[in-house]
Amino acid sequence: GIQVEQSPPDLILQEGANSTLRCNFSDSVNNLQWFHQNPWGQLINLFYIPSGTKQNGRLSATTVATERYSLLYISSSQTTDSGVYFCAVERTPGNTGKLIFGQGTTLQVKP
Amino acid sequence: DAGITQSPRHKVTETGTPVTLRCHQTENHRYMYWYRQDPGHGLRLIHYSYGVKDTDKGEVSDGYSVSRSKTEDFLLTLESATSSQTSVYFCAISEQETQYFGPGTRLLVL
Repeated sequence: GIQVEQSPPDLILQEGANSTLRCNFSDSVNNLQWFHQNPWGQLINLFYIPSGTKQNGRLSATTVATERYSLLYISSSQTTDSGVYFCAVERTPGNTGKLIFGQGTTLQVKP
Repeated sequence: DAGITQSPRHKVTETGTPVTLRCHQTENHRYMYWYRQDPGHGLRLIHYSYGVKDTDKGEVSDGYSVSRSKTEDFLLTLESATSSQTSVYFCAISEQETQYFGPGTRLLVL
């Protein structure tokens, strides 16, 4: 099956710093999503981004499908950005939403 | 908020007993999913549904069954719970290819 690898596994930042999280996948995909799991366990969808670039406030994401990776950028980090960030993909030609998740990047933002 | 609720939110049960978890949605979404989350494994898909009475297996379906008799409800059943099924269970829906998750159910099997 498809492999999804996220890096780094852990990241500690000072408030205000920028960061880049990476997601590599081993096969072609037609669905890629980024999620944030807050310290209370709630999973929030950040981006649906099978290709191209999207921005939402301080967050942006880029997926280069031909090179099989996606990047999530967090600018001017805040303590509320802490939690686990997951990348999830569905292998082409699937269209059922059967997502395969990476192991996540745990982010801690210190005040 | 995609109008997803899960019940119960917490459950403790004993090995060998049947357990049913419920996922309820209010917005008539066609696709619904059940995942489990365990330390070191991230989230893994158990089963999913693409309509009433239409379900299929995910990555880790052994020991689980599902049913969907109404659009709004997707039930996950552990026929005979085992300690390896101690986990946090999340339900999700798909809206225009974007998945939204419920609050989760913490299940402890003793």
